[in-house]
Amino acid sequence: GAGVSQSPSNKVTEKGKDVELRCDPISGHTALYWYRQSLGQGLEFLIYFQGNSAPDKSGLPSDRFSAERTGGSVSTLTIQRTQQEDSAVYLCASSLARGDYGYTFGSGTRLTVV
Amino acid sequence: GNSVTQMEGPVTLSEEAFLTINCTYTATGYPSLFWYVQYPGEGLQLLLKATKADDKGSNKGFEATYRKETTSFHLEKGSVQVSDSAVYFCALGSGSARQLTFGSGTQLTVLP
Repeated sequence: GAGVSQSPSNKVTEKGKDVELRCDPISGHTALYWYRQSLGQGLEFLIYFQGNSAPDKSGLPSDRFSAERTGGSVSTLTIQRTQQEDSAVYLCASSLARGDYGYTFGSGTRLTVV
Repeated sequence: GNSVTQMEGPVTLSEEAFLTINCTYTATGYPSLFWYVQYPGEGLQLLLKATKADDKGSNKGFEATYRKETTSFHLEKGSVQVSDSAVYFCALGSGSARQLTFGSGTQLTVLP
């Protein structure tokens, strides 16, 4: 597509439930990143994919968080047993190649855990 | 580790005023530096970048100079417009994965 697409744009979930957030990167972009933007804070790096592999998962805050990417395209970020502190905007970005800082960000998924 | 500290907001200016948003960083090696802008309801967009010391990034009337001696990358614009109202993020890029480390963002509101 023309840009990075994220769905849903908004998600309200009950504490303890699992959620899946989806990212469709720009076609042909091999690098994909997930970031989290919490209220009043900057963006926090979560995970990086090169193709379907995740060489850097260092930013995932706990083992409740996982992500996968299939076909070198769509990525899903899964949060299990959500907690209130997981409430944030989850942003996805893609770039043409590793080492290319030419990120294109999606508009994000606003997750609210009640 | 790497970190970015930027000016606390919110910042409110009148149209045609001069803008400075301060940004300082801590990093090992020689990072690349960026300013991103987030307009209401939109994703982050790259505003400008600089990849080495003394480089000046510029775009849409905004400028920032990579100052290694002061570890700074302050954003400036000589005459802001209402349409510049947005959240501005300073960031540095490093590491083999090229992940970005962001500052906390500065909300700018420009009044007519």
